[in-house]
Amino acid sequence: NAGVTQTPKFQVLKTGQSMTLQCAQDMNHNSMYWYRQDPGMGLRLIYYSASEGTTDKGEVPNGYNVSRLNKREFSLRLESAAPSQTSVYFCASSEGGASNEKLFFGSGTQLSVL
Amino acid sequence: AQTVTQSQPEMSVQEAETVTLSCTYDTSESNYYLFWYKQPPSRQMILVIRQEAYKQQNATENRFSVNFQKAAKSFSLKISDSQLGDTAMYFCALTTSGTYKYIFGTGTRLKVLA
Repeated sequence: NAGVTQTPKFQVLKTGQSMTLQCAQDMNHNSMYWYRQDPGMGLRLIYYSASEGTTDKGEVPNGYNVSRLNKREFSLRLESAAPSQTSVYFCASSEGGASNEKLFFGSGTQLSVL
Repeated sequence: AQTVTQSQPEMSVQEAETVTLSCTYDTSESNYYLFWYKQPPSRQMILVIRQEAYKQQNATENRFSVNFQKAAKSFSLKISDSQLGDTAMYFCALTTSGTYKYIFGTGTRLKVLA
C-alpha cells in the first residue's frame, strides 16, 4: 500500500547539471502533478497530467520538462539546474474528476542547487 | 483564474483551546472542491478535511470543522481542543470539476503551545 512514491528524497546538484525526479503511484489514478514548495510561496504547480498521454503547464513551468511514461509514472526533469530551482518538490496524484476527488502526495524531494 | 488566499502567515494557540484559520478563494466555476491540508515537520502532506461546494452542510472530521461561506468565498478551518500534534503548516486548496488543477494558498504556520 505504497500510494505515491517519489525518488530521491534528497539531492544536491551543481549549477548546470541535469537530473530527473521519479514519481509512481499505485492507486490507478488518472491525474498526476508536480509541485514545488518554497518558503512563503505555498505549493506552486509546475506541470500536471490530467490523464495518460497528456501533460500541461502549471504556474511555474520554466526550466522543467515532464514525461507521463504510463498511467503509473510521471517524471520531472531539470535539464540545466539553476540555484533558483532549489526547493522541495512534491509529486501528487488524484482520480481526476471523481466525486470523491482529493490529492495524494509523495513524501517530497529536497533539492539544493549550488 | 482561480486563486486561494491565506492572510495569516503564523498563528499560535494554547493547548486545549480553539483556533480558526482563514482562507478565501476565487473561482468562476460552480462545481468545485475545497481542502485543508496539514504539513507537520515531517514534510508529509496530510488531508485534514474536504468540502464539496454544492453541499451546504459544513464538513467535520473529529476536532476539525470548516465554516464554508459560499457567497463570501470563504473557507475557514476550526480546530477544537488543540493538541501539540496539531503544530504544523496548514494549506487551503481549491480544485474545480473538469480542470484537474489544484491551487494552494501560501499556508498558515500554526504553533500549539503547552
